[in-house]
Amino acid sequence: GESVGLHLPTLSVQEGDNSIINCAYSNSASDYFIWYKQESGKGPQFIIDIRSNMDKRQGQRVTVLLNKTVKHLSLQIAATQPGDSAVYFCAEIFAGRRALTFGSGTRLQVQP
Amino acid sequence: DAGVIQSPRHEVTEMGQEVTLRCKPISGHDYLFWYRQTMMRGLELLIYFNNNVPIDDSGMPEDRFSAKMPNASFSTLKIQPSEPRDSAVYFCASSSAPGQGGYTFGSGTRLTVV
Repeated sequence: GESVGLHLPTLSVQEGDNSIINCAYSNSASDYFIWYKQESGKGPQFIIDIRSNMDKRQGQRVTVLLNKTVKHLSLQIAATQPGDSAVYFCAEIFAGRRALTFGSGTRLQVQP
Repeated sequence: DAGVIQSPRHEVTEMGQEVTLRCKPISGHDYLFWYRQTMMRGLELLIYFNNNVPIDDSGMPEDRFSAKMPNASFSTLKIQPSEPRDSAVYFCASSSAPGQGGYTFGSGTRLTVV
């Protein structure tokens, strides 16, 4: 598939459990962050975003937490489902730039 | 909307040949991005355009790579001559409001150079 067989850290969870995926970002000047999901054979798909003036944002079954002090971002997925199995990337935008810089990704495997 | 459309989906070519990848952004999006995904380097930005003008091409690996956007609905990424190390998945993305969500990616072109 189009995820190119990346050798990524893997998080394995049971269906129905909550998942937490972590990301350390690189630039303290970054002011906007996005989590993407990439399934095999597809491009990255937007999940949720957050601005640097916030520390938490919730969507449907997902929550993003931002800790600017330690430059850490996390994605929480509630009641994880088999369809959540994918590679998850965090991405950041440096102030003034318009392109996303991606993290290295985490593979989420949901066991039925 | 059909989303961001890339072609071809798969390309296999011999070393030394010219390769052209194509992208049609979402109508109305005035930013277009080319990314490359490899096992070693993950997703990396190659170049991006705003209103058909290249803004940042610092990620383009070398002179063998070139990108154009002749109009708002079409962009190409060309590699000439291609090398085996260019094998990767190439993604195009477009956006109407960078920094406010709305980056939409295509399905990618898997390039294999043998």
